[in-house]
Amino acid sequence: DIQMTQSPSTLSAYVGDRVTITCRASQSISTWLAWYQQKPGKAPKLLIYKASTLESGVPSRFSGSGSGTEFTLTISSLQPDDFATYYCQQYSSYWTFGQGTKVEIK
Amino acid sequence: EVHLVESGGGLIQPGGSLRLSCAASGFTVSTNSMTWVRQAPGKGLEWVSLIYSGASANYADSVRGRFTISRDNSRNTVYLQMNSLRTEDTAVYYCAKLYSDYDSYFDYWGQGTLVTVSS
Repeated sequence: DIQMTQSPSTLSAYVGDRVTITCRASQSISTWLAWYQQKPGKAPKLLIYKASTLESGVPSRFSGSGSGTEFTLTISSLQPDDFATYYCQQYSSYWTFGQGTKVEIK
Repeated sequence: EVHLVESGGGLIQPGGSLRLSCAASGFTVSTNSMTWVRQAPGKGLEWVSLIYSGASANYADSVRGRFTISRDNSRNTVYLQMNSLRTEDTAVYYCAKLYSDYDSYFDYWGQGTLVTVSS
């Protein structure tokens, strides 16, 4: 099974900050990686797929990069609506999620 | 517009059975692969099961042999039959649609239904 490890688990930041979340896969997954945003009591929402492709309607302040085993999600200028939990997901072999990164207001 | 609506959750005793439904609109389940993902209270996301457009299925090790995924094309609905439920199955269960069998990320999600397994 492919394991996904996100860091950090929690991130405190100010509105306007540049924020980066890292996701590591236990083996190479090429670019078969997605990022989701989840707010309390809501379903996850797709942000990025194929490691770096922005889903339609997602603000351009979100970006993704990486391949193989190392991936990042970057929010270029954190907005109030962005405070949420973010999950990476590999879909190279079945489906596995990272444990999540909670982005909190500092 | 794509919509997914889950139902069927509730409180059930350990060892019991429950069937979850996921009613789809805006697309056809028979030509798309569909999946169930769960989230235990305060925890992360866990993939549970998937039914391909061709009707074959996959299961997570934690539910294989106890859960069965199926679909009713006439109702445009996907189901998750859950037997021999355990306390550790307590979670919000989401259904989701795969973008495609090749590019298999989950592009649309339902709002979830809560299953509580407790005596």
